[in-house]
This record gives sequence, C-alpha cells and structure tokens, in this order.
Amino acid sequence: NAGVTQTPKFQVLKTGQSMTLQCAQDMNHNSMYWYRQDPGMGLRLIYYSASEGTTDKGEVPNGYNVSRLNKREFSLRLESAAPSQTSVYFCASSSIAPTGELFFGEGSRLTVL
Amino acid sequence: QQQVKQSPQSLIVQKGGISIINCAYENTAFDYFPWYQQFPGKGPALLIAIRPDVSEKKEGRFTISFNKSAKQFSLHIMDSQPGDSATYFCAASKGNGETSGSRLTFGEGTQLTVNP
Repeated sequence: NAGVTQTPKFQVLKTGQSMTLQCAQDMNHNSMYWYRQDPGMGLRLIYYSASEGTTDKGEVPNGYNVSRLNKREFSLRLESAAPSQTSVYFCASSSIAPTGELFFGEGSRLTVL
Repeated sequence: QQQVKQSPQSLIVQKGGISIINCAYENTAFDYFPWYQQFPGKGPALLIAIRPDVSEKKEGRFTISFNKSAKQFSLHIMDSQPGDSATYFCAASKGNGETSGSRLTFGEGTQLTVNP
C-alpha cells in the first residue's frame, strides 16, 4: 500500500523558473493538502482541496497554484520560483471524521538559487 | 501569528528518562489536539490525539496531558528509547471533519534526541 506518493523528492531551481510537484494518494480520501516545512516554523498549509473539483487557500498561498486533477491527484505549481520558496513540501490526505487523521507523503525538498 | 506555541525547540534525554514537550494555544474554539511524529526523511505521522473532554490520554509509553483552563497540553514519553528520536509536532483544530487538515494549526516542532 503506497499511501501518499510525491514526486520529485529533490529539485534545484533557479530564481524565476517554474515547476510542478506531483502528489497521488491511493486511500480513496476526499481531502488533500499541500504543506511547507521550514525550520522553527512547523508545518504551514499552502492550499487544500476538500473534495474533487474544489481548492482553497491556506495560510501561505502566495506564489503557488494548485490543481485537483481527480480524486487521487493534487499538484502544486510554482510559476516563478523565488529563494523564499526553498523548503520541504509535504502532500497529505485525509478521510472524513471521526479522526480526520492526516496521512503525509515523504516530502519534496526544493532549493531555489 | 502563531496560534500554537511549542517548547522546547530541542530536547536531549537519556535512555529510560521522561521526555516532556509542551504546547500552548490561544484559540478557545480549538477542540482537537493531535501530536505528530516525524522521523528524518519521512513525513509526519499521527502519534496520539486528545479532545478537551478528558484531561489525559495514554497510549503505551505516550501520554497527553491537557489543561483546558490554562490552554496548554503536553506530550510525555515515558521510558524514552533511542528509537523515539524524532521531531514532534503538536497541533490544534476546531474540529476533525472532512477538512480537518485545513483547520490544523501546527506548533513549531521539537527535535527529540534520546541518547543510549
């Protein structure tokens, strides 16, 4: 059981370049999320999708766009990367209550030079 | 602003000791308090969670203590083992429905090292 799969695991970009992080889950979850993790700042929500066809901004959406391609896949796009977007990005998914437990992928480490 | 503040940032304990990580929250509407554990190179995973209708929840060596009046909750790891070395995140949300992740506010994280 793969759970949540993210690609790529590592990426180096130059300022101004664009890229897309891919995420897929095989747990039939309705909700999917993109977080970024920075030292001393915990996990911050970028965008989320409560269900197929819907997306909403989280805490730090500026500079990012998302697409919920279908129930399994949720992608995160950086249109013009900036050094401030150097981070580790995590995709997660969750099912309905009662626990609403988040299942995370293994992360994508992005460096913007 | 950081609605959930976590301390300490890092913690070193000896094998067999007790590890204690504390969190404080501001929003009195929060009613779900999970702890996530993250090993190097991996994503976080749910460790244990509590609702404010109880003051303590125990699962094996892991215990959450909750103080609603002080708006604080803590994770205690009894008989700490080197395998417990990881980063721990507290979190809080107003509910755990389908979009619970959208409401989860995470603390800054605590890097725990358990020396053999």
